Formats: sequence, C-alpha cells, structure tokens
Amino acid sequence: DAKTTQPNSMESNEEEPVHLPCNHSTISGTDYIHWYRQLPSQGPEYVIHGLTSNVNNRMASLAIAEDRKSSTLILHRATLRDAAVYYCILRDVSGGSNYKLTFGKGTLLTVNP
Amino acid sequence: NAGVTQTPKFQVLKTGQSMTLQCAQDMNHNSMYWYRQDPGMGLRLIYYSASEGTTDKGEVPNGYNVSRLNKREFSLRLESAAPSQTSVYFCASSEVWTGPYGYTFGSGTRLTVV
Repeated sequence: DAKTTQPNSMESNEEEPVHLPCNHSTISGTDYIHWYRQLPSQGPEYVIHGLTSNVNNRMASLAIAEDRKSSTLILHRATLRDAAVYYCILRDVSGGSNYKLTFGKGTLLTVNP
Repeated sequence: NAGVTQTPKFQVLKTGQSMTLQCAQDMNHNSMYWYRQDPGMGLRLIYYSASEGTTDKGEVPNGYNVSRLNKREFSLRLESAAPSQTSVYFCASSEVWTGPYGYTFGSGTRLTVV
C-alpha cells in the first residue's frame, strides 16, 4: 500500500505562511492526494485534494511535485484557529488497495500568537 | 447546517453492556463510515457502507455490528462492551464509495467502558 510520511509536529507564527510537507514516494497513478485536518476535540475536516496539478481553495493551496512523490499543503496566513493535526492521505479512486481513507498520525501544527 | 449528526456525544458503559451509536447525514450521500480514534492515534476504519443496503468490514471490525437503516442513517452497535472499546467514535459520509470526493465527519461520540 502506498503510504505517506509527515513530520510529527511543526510550529508557526500567526499571520505567517505555513508549508506542511508530505512524502509519498510509492504513489500510484490513480492515487489522489487528500488533506484533512482535525481541530482539538472535533472530527476531521476535509481541506483539499489533488491529482497532478496544484490546487487552490478558500482554505489552502496544495502544491504537488512534478514526479508526484511529494506534496505540500500551504496555509497562506496562519491563524490561531489553524492549530490542528493535519493528515496527508492517498486515496486510490480506481478502487484499488488505497480506496479506503486511511489516517496516519499526521502533523501537529502549533500556531504561536 | 447540513452535515453528519452523531448521538450521543458522551456515554459511559459498564463492561458487558450493549449500546448503539447513531449517525445520520442530510447531504444525500451514498457512502457512510464508522471510525474509532484512540488517544494519540490516527483514525481506524471499523465498518463502512458503500451504498444503501450494503455493509463491509474495515480494519478493526471485531466486537462491532452495523446497520445501514436507510440512505441517511448508519448505526454502530456494541453487543458486549469491553474496556478496549473505550475510544472516540466518528461517523463520516461521502458522495460515493470511489471517486476523489471528500468525506464529511461528525463531531464524535466519546465512549468510556469501565
């Protein structure tokens, strides 16, 4: 199964950009890259997903390396409300071995005021 | 607000007791899921329902049963609760089983088995 590797924790300052890295060197052609976050005492929340091209939405941007072996979630201006665990997950939309959404331990993002 | 609603939010059970966790979604999603999250861990899939009328085992199904009551509702039952089932339980839904669609999660049920 294709897996992802994320740092256990990162720190940022409020109103500064945050770049959260994810490595997925064994990604397959039908694996979408999904990002979720989980705020304290809440359920996970969908953030963004992409396949090959960079993606932007109101919450964040997703930058995908040309070889697709890594990606970066970008929060353009971190706020205290962005403090959460961020999960990078591969999901095989062809119904292959990664079709289930499988959560690792993620990256704990701390935002300093 | 549209979303996934879980009841109850908190529950304490004695070992051997049974209970049912309820989940309902109002987004007309076809697929629904039950996850559990233990302290300091990621979420693990217990059971899922790809579409109304179907259910299947996930990563950690032992000790649980599920019912897809209709398109909106997906319940999780603990027949004889054990302390190892102390966890936070999350229900989720998605538009379809495959496809790149995001999941929507409920706010969780915090279960303690003593």
